[in-house]
Formats: sequence, C-alpha cells, structure tokens
Amino acid sequence: GAVVSQHPSWVICKSGTSVKIECRSLDFQATTMFWYRQFPKQSLMLMATSNEGSKATYEQGVEKDKFLINHASLTLSTLTVTSAHPEDSSFYICSAKFGVDGYGYTFGSGTRLTVV
Amino acid sequence: QKEVEQDPGPLSVPEGAIVSLNCTYSNSAFQYFMWYRQYSRKGPELLMYTYSSGNKEDGRFTAQVDKSSKYISLFIRDSQPSDSATYLCAMSPGGGNKLTFGTGTQLKVEL
Repeated sequence: GAVVSQHPSWVICKSGTSVKIECRSLDFQATTMFWYRQFPKQSLMLMATSNEGSKATYEQGVEKDKFLINHASLTLSTLTVTSAHPEDSSFYICSAKFGVDGYGYTFGSGTRLTVV
Repeated sequence: QKEVEQDPGPLSVPEGAIVSLNCTYSNSAFQYFMWYRQYSRKGPELLMYTYSSGNKEDGRFTAQVDKSSKYISLFIRDSQPSDSATYLCAMSPGGGNKLTFGTGTQLKVEL
C-alpha cells in the first residue's frame, strides 16, 4: 500500500519551454505532498510542501513563479517548471504523507529533467 | 552546521561484511527516524523506521537511535552486492512535518 506514481520518469525539453511533472497517490488520499530536487550524488533538497486545496509553501530560495505546484485533488499534485533553462536540469522527486505516524512518507520514482 | 550530518562515503566493503552507517543531528525535536535506500536514478524507498530511542531489527537490518547522543545508526549484516545503493537517513518531529535528510552514504558491496 501507499504507492505514489510519478510521471514522466524522464523528459528532455528545449530551453524556454515549460514541463509538467505529475505525482499521483494510487491507493490512498494524500493531503500533503512534498517536492524535492536532487543533484548528482547529493541529498534531497525540499522545494515545497503542498496541501490539497491550498497554496504550496516554498522553501527559502525556491522561486515559486518558476516552480508552479498545484495540488487540486487528494490524489494528484503537479510541478510545472516554467521557462526551463539548462540549470533547471535535475532529478525531481515527489513524496506523499500517508497515515498518522511520523514515518509515513512514500516517494515517487523520480523524474530526470534535461533542458537543452 | 547542518541539522543532520552523514558521511557521504563512498563506502566499499566485501560481500558478507557488516556495514555500519551513521548520522548525527542537532534538533532535539526529532522523534521519528528513518533510513531510506536509493538506487541510482530511482526514488528513495523506506528501509527502516524507529520512533524515539531504541533498537529495531528486520532481517539483516538493525536500526539504532540514541537520542541522548543525537546519533542514529543502521547496521547491515551479511551484506550483498544488491545492497549497493545510497543510504539516506531522515528524521522528523512528527505531526506531518517535513523530513530532514542526511546527505546520503554511497555503499558498494563487492564480490
């Protein structure tokens, strides 16, 4: 149980275009979802926390106008990288909180974004 | 100083060895402690979790938490090549708060 599906697993886009990444909870309702960015051989960096039906909370230094997060339903959150540039190339991972226990976090399989 | 410190490795061990992975932290509010395994270009998968201090064993894996020292460990017995991955410690105060991750330790188990 508590499976999160993330799509696409990889995407290549041209500089200046926008890319949308989807994160779906398959067998539970995800009130809270998290979006991370991971550079090669580095840990996960939290970008933002999204709660269903409300605006996302962005971490310091993350441009909210560039990384648009929508969490319109209890099973779907999306991250849109707007006007992507090569420096946005990275591995993006979503996570969802499930259950009430403090360890109940499940992760998507990640999206590798390459901006050319 | 980072909230969570973890030796990035890489750590290379022979098959069958006992592996010890560690993290230290500074936030005394952390109550939930987790270890995630991440294979290359994949999302992290939960390996072990512990609430507050104590030990927990699951097969070849043992997680230990010492809150007085703000120190957590993951032991892997009889390590296998399939254990080769990056191991991330993570912790939270609970209540749906965000996780704080260590930098991850890259482990390679060689035949």
